[in-house]
Amino acid sequence: DAEITQSPRHKITETGRQVTLACHQTWNHNNMFWYRQDLGHGLRLIHYSYGVQDTNKGEVSDGYSVSRSNTEDLPLTLESAASSQTSVYFCASSEGSAGSYEQYFGPGTRLTVT
Amino acid sequence: QQQVKQSPQSLIVQKGGIPIINCAYENTAFDYFPWYQQFPGKGPALLIAIRPDVSEKKEGRFTISFNKSAKQFSLHIMDSQPGDSATYFCAAGHGDAGNMLTFGGGTRLMVKP
Repeated sequence: DAEITQSPRHKITETGRQVTLACHQTWNHNNMFWYRQDLGHGLRLIHYSYGVQDTNKGEVSDGYSVSRSNTEDLPLTLESAASSQTSVYFCASSEGSAGSYEQYFGPGTRLTVT
Repeated sequence: QQQVKQSPQSLIVQKGGIPIINCAYENTAFDYFPWYQQFPGKGPALLIAIRPDVSEKKEGRFTISFNKSAKQFSLHIMDSQPGDSATYFCAAGHGDAGNMLTFGGGTRLMVKP
């Protein structure tokens, strides 16, 4: 069965370190998204991609970067982790065809920055 | 900035009750309104969705009511069960924004036995 996976599921890091969160989908979807989830803020879009070599900034992109070298993967990098980036991170993908909105979410990565 | 406002933030009902979660949006270009359900430790999953050409959609015990003129939509859960306890997110999307979704802040629902 097709799926979307994230790794690691839990990560503790120190302020200032670079961290990369992995996202891998086997749906063969064109669109991929990264969100962070914080209490009271719902799901906020960090970055998104509509295909290989395409990346775009979302609502809360400062301090984050992504790259899309193939269809399956969209890793999220925190260049210099800050305590404000402690959160639960979700990756999602969608088909990308016109009118196709449904997003399939991964299980999430809980990141703690100390 | 596009916004979707969701209320309440949390909700407690007894088993068999009908919890109602409300959302309001601003952008009249939105043409897709889904609800996602999230259990603890899991990612959100699509529960039910509606397009603005209909005022109501039912799937099992879940119903979306949509009021285009008021720019509001709501989720009703009939005969709620403890297994419905989860966080619910409304969202809105439109094709001109590349099929992106703007999410509401979420509602934590607890259904007591």
